[in-house]
Amino acid sequence: QKEVEQNSGPLSVPEGAIASLNCTYSDRGSQSFFWYRQYSGKSPELIMFIYSNGDKEDGRFTAQLNKASQYVSLLIRDSQPSDSATYLCAVNYSGYALNFGKGTSLLVTP
Amino acid sequence: GAVVSQHPSRVICKSGTSVKIECRSLDFQATTMFWYRQFPKQSLMLMATSNEGSKATYEQGVEKDKFLINHASLTLSTLTVTSAHPEDSSFYICSALPLERGHTYEQYFGPGTRLTVT
Repeated sequence: QKEVEQNSGPLSVPEGAIASLNCTYSDRGSQSFFWYRQYSGKSPELIMFIYSNGDKEDGRFTAQLNKASQYVSLLIRDSQPSDSATYLCAVNYSGYALNFGKGTSLLVTP
Repeated sequence: GAVVSQHPSRVICKSGTSVKIECRSLDFQATTMFWYRQFPKQSLMLMATSNEGSKATYEQGVEKDKFLINHASLTLSTLTVTSAHPEDSSFYICSALPLERGHTYEQYFGPGTRLTVT
């Protein structure tokens, strides 16, 4: 069974702080890694994807990938209350299908 | 661009009836569409992979005779829940993989369908 593990949280950070979300995966053959944000009752929306080791930045978001450690993370700088949501880590397997973690609930307090 | 729609957004049906959910890619063609199910406070679980013109591939534990998938065109896939039971109540979400996508594996998600079986 290929696993994607996330701490369920909730992770609480004050407004303006950096939120750090972590994810580990079991399949060393995985090539693509995604971070999605999901608000309650809504479908996931893509924040970022990363394929190569290292950091990838997009605005306030930075994804970090370490394939040797089978670890991927998401940093959110200058966190805003509107960032409060569940963040899902997803890893590809069997071609293009995605295996999702259970998600980390983030709460940004004003 | 890259919009995926689902219809209906919400449906309530009686136990034993069948329900059809449509997933459409509105501004792109998709060779592959995926169907996920999400129970409350759980993550998305892949049910099946749907390829245009061929039979769907179901994940282990998903009954293919109960969850019928038809990918009739490059823009439409349907999921029919046959003989629905209360335990089938869930949030069903489809996603589509564009035919022309370059080197990206990005899938585009529909808004989801909330199914309640009474």
